Formats: sequence, C-alpha cells, structure tokens
Amino acid sequence: GAGVSQTPSNKVTEKGKYVELRCDPISGHTALYWYRQSLGQGPEFLIYFQGTGAADDSGLPNDRFFAVRPEGSVSTLKIQRTERGDSAVYLCASSLAVGETQYFGPGTRLLVL
Amino acid sequence: AQKVTQAQTEISVVEKEDVTLDCVYETRDTTYYLFWYKQPPSGELVFLIRRNSFDEQNEISGRYSWNFQKSTSSFNFTITASQVVDSAVYFCALSEKAGGYQKVTFGTGTKLQVIP
Repeated sequence: GAGVSQTPSNKVTEKGKYVELRCDPISGHTALYWYRQSLGQGPEFLIYFQGTGAADDSGLPNDRFFAVRPEGSVSTLKIQRTERGDSAVYLCASSLAVGETQYFGPGTRLLVL
Repeated sequence: AQKVTQAQTEISVVEKEDVTLDCVYETRDTTYYLFWYKQPPSGELVFLIRRNSFDEQNEISGRYSWNFQKSTSSFNFTITASQVVDSAVYFCALSEKAGGYQKVTFGTGTKLQVIP
C-alpha cells in the first residue's frame, strides 16, 4: 500500500516568507508526527497529533511554527517569518495508533535563503 | 530524559565484511521501545526493527541481527556479509512509556559505506 507522502519534496524560500509543508499519512493511521532533521543529525520531534488535535506540541521551537490536521488525516506544518536557521529536512511519520511503530515519509527539504 | 548515543560517526567496510553498529541509550523508564531505522541517500527513513524493553532475546532477520543487552543499555546492530546496497545512515532510537511512546528520540546516526 501507499506510504507516507510529503509535498513539496523541496522548497526554497526567502527569509521572512511564509511556508506550508504538507503530509499525507498512511491510510488508516490515526497518529501523525512531525520531525525536523538538520544536517548530520537525527530527526528531532516537533509535534504529534492523535486524530485532529495536537496531543503534544512541545517540540515546536517557537511560535512561528504551527501545525494543523483539521480532518484527522492530512496535516500541514506552517512556518511564519522563516529564518535561515529553519533550513532542514522536515519529516512526517504516521502510526496505526499511539505507541505503534512510526513510518516516515521522504521529507521536505526546506532551504531559507 | 531519554538519550541515544551512536559513537561511530562513519564506518567503511569492504563488501562481504561483517559490520556492527553500536547504540547505547539512557532512560529512567523501565518500559520502553528501541528502534533501528535506515536512511539511504534518497533520504527516506526505513523502519528496520522495534524491540520491547522486556524482550532481551536477540533477533535475526536475514543478514541483519540485533543484540539487546539491558545490563549495558546497548542495542547493537550487525550486518553480516555487507553489500553495497547497505550503504546508508543508520539511526538507533528510543521511545518511553512515560512519554506515551509518541516521542521517538534518535541518535545522531552512523554513516555506513560499503565499498565494492
């Protein structure tokens, strides 16, 4: 079956701009996660959804970052007033339920100039 | 707080050699899961294994094997008869019951290069 998909695969933007990154989880998976991976590092947790609500957003670095999952399936990670330090690969994962194995998408590579 | 250490930053081996990737973890929880993921050059994280903290039995899957030693807080990964397709970055990871298992903490990864 289809895995986790993320769009766009690459995004180049200018400092100060707004960006949206989209994640489409595996069908039937109720839990969705966002991670950020900087060069040479492992992924770092940002936020987790169980259904439509953000169950844990403790990993979001600041209030410029926001994520939604309005219908309990697709999620959008939104970054306002982007900064060069936001450049990274943003990974989305989903799991059948909380606590189950997380399966990752290919990521969106964000470059802020 | 949970922490995962992968001391080996990069390893190079010649094809058909065996290679072991080390992973040491820290947690205050008695119930947790350990994982290994593979990240090939394409960038997508591929799930390899999940192990419950109560199951110390070693596991073998084809050329892959995992050695879980609770006494030393280690969860090492061995690839037997390595192949060029094994070249990738490998991440060890941990999630705790106390955190609802939702946060997975990753190590910094070990880059494996298999030379033909």
